[in-house]
Amino acid sequence: DAKTTQPTSMDCAEGRAANLPCNHSTISGNEYVYWYRQIHSQGPQYIIHGLKNNETNEMASLIITEDRKSSTLILPHATLRDTAVYYCIVRVRGDSSASKIIFGSGTRLSIRP
Amino acid sequence: SAVISQKPSRDICQRGTSLTIQCQVDSQVTMMFWYRQQPGQSLTLIATANQGSEATYESGFVIDKFPISRPNLTFSTLTVSNMSPEDSSIYLCSVPGNNYEQYFGPGTRLTVT
Repeated sequence: DAKTTQPTSMDCAEGRAANLPCNHSTISGNEYVYWYRQIHSQGPQYIIHGLKNNETNEMASLIITEDRKSSTLILPHATLRDTAVYYCIVRVRGDSSASKIIFGSGTRLSIRP
Repeated sequence: SAVISQKPSRDICQRGTSLTIQCQVDSQVTMMFWYRQQPGQSLTLIATANQGSEATYESGFVIDKFPISRPNLTFSTLTVSNMSPEDSSIYLCSVPGNNYEQYFGPGTRLTVT
């Protein structure tokens, strides 16, 4: 799986959009970008994933650059409950070995009132 | 998405003893994963548990220390054997979803004294 680079920490004002970047310059053509978050004292939570098109769901939007070497997770209206560690993961889909996840250090997002 | 429960949610154990952690899923899944999260760290994969076969352990983890059972498609156990304070961690199980995302249990917080 390709390596990802994320800022160690970020902060954002409540009600504003939180934009979390991820660099994955070595991504290959069959690798997807997945985002998870882990709120303190809870198990990680799946947020969204994408291949090359931008994706949106009820939790967030995922913007992937045209060259696919970086992506941005957008929380459109951040709340205090969005304070968490956010993990960007790049991985292949389609075989059993691809099911396991290798976590990096993630970005610690703090939402300030 | 899958609903996953773990027992116990937390425990305090004495060194040299063993603890068995249970993971229950609300649907049948072929693969289950066990992770460890040491204090202040990211998640580290311990092993992959397939029903009907031996678990596959990641580098640095051995079956004698972390035996795993997988008696059916909705249940698994992880035992932490001969515990030492270095085993104090959160232990989490997870299962894959239809799009190779993963769903995590709430975790078991273990403290070894």
